[in-house]
Amino acid sequence: GENVEQHPSTLSVQEGDSAVIKCTYSDSASNYFPWYKQELGKRPQLIIDIRSNVGEKKDQRIAVTLNKTAKHFSLHITETQPEDSAVYFCAASWAYGGSQGNLIFGKGTKLSVKP
Amino acid sequence: GAGVSQSPRYKVAKRGQDVALRCDPISGHVSLFWYQQALGQGPEFLTYFQNEAQLDKSGLPSDRFFAERPEGSVSTLKIQRTQQEDSAVYLCASSPIETQYFGPGTRLLVL
Repeated sequence: GENVEQHPSTLSVQEGDSAVIKCTYSDSASNYFPWYKQELGKRPQLIIDIRSNVGEKKDQRIAVTLNKTAKHFSLHITETQPEDSAVYFCAASWAYGGSQGNLIFGKGTKLSVKP
Repeated sequence: GAGVSQSPRYKVAKRGQDVALRCDPISGHVSLFWYQQALGQGPEFLTYFQNEAQLDKSGLPSDRFFAERPEGSVSTLKIQRTQQEDSAVYLCASSPIETQYFGPGTRLLVL
């Protein structure tokens, strides 16, 4: 079955710096890769996602890149702000022809942005 | 519009008690998932419904766990004879297709 590895487990940056979180997956059938942000005691919130027919996607300060050949995808946050501090999870899944699979999550990255 | 809601938000149970956790998905979402999140870990899949059909229950850890979605909307996750290892946050997510939207979770503590 699918396995998702996520690194680093903790990341501390200064406000205004960039943060990069990397994930690898094992199942070539996976074609959907979301990223969730989870603040303490709150629900996971989708921040960006990418499908396997796309190599890069950007939304303001957040971008995700996907390398299907190497089976890895990364989250990039630029100009970090203290409110970006949270745990970030990558995940992998599949969706074909009206059916979908469950999300397989990485173990999470705790991002701390220091003012 | 309204997001996914779950109740209760917190539940304390004595070991051996039965509990029922409710999920109200986003209206019209065909798919509904249950996940278990242990402290400091990522969510782990429990079971999946498409409308009222339970298509995958491979993640349920034991036969003490049971889930239903009888009318294809609200879902209930039931845990019988709770054990301390069942203590976790139980998350529900609904999806029109592909993108999953999570509820706030039910934090279960078994004493």
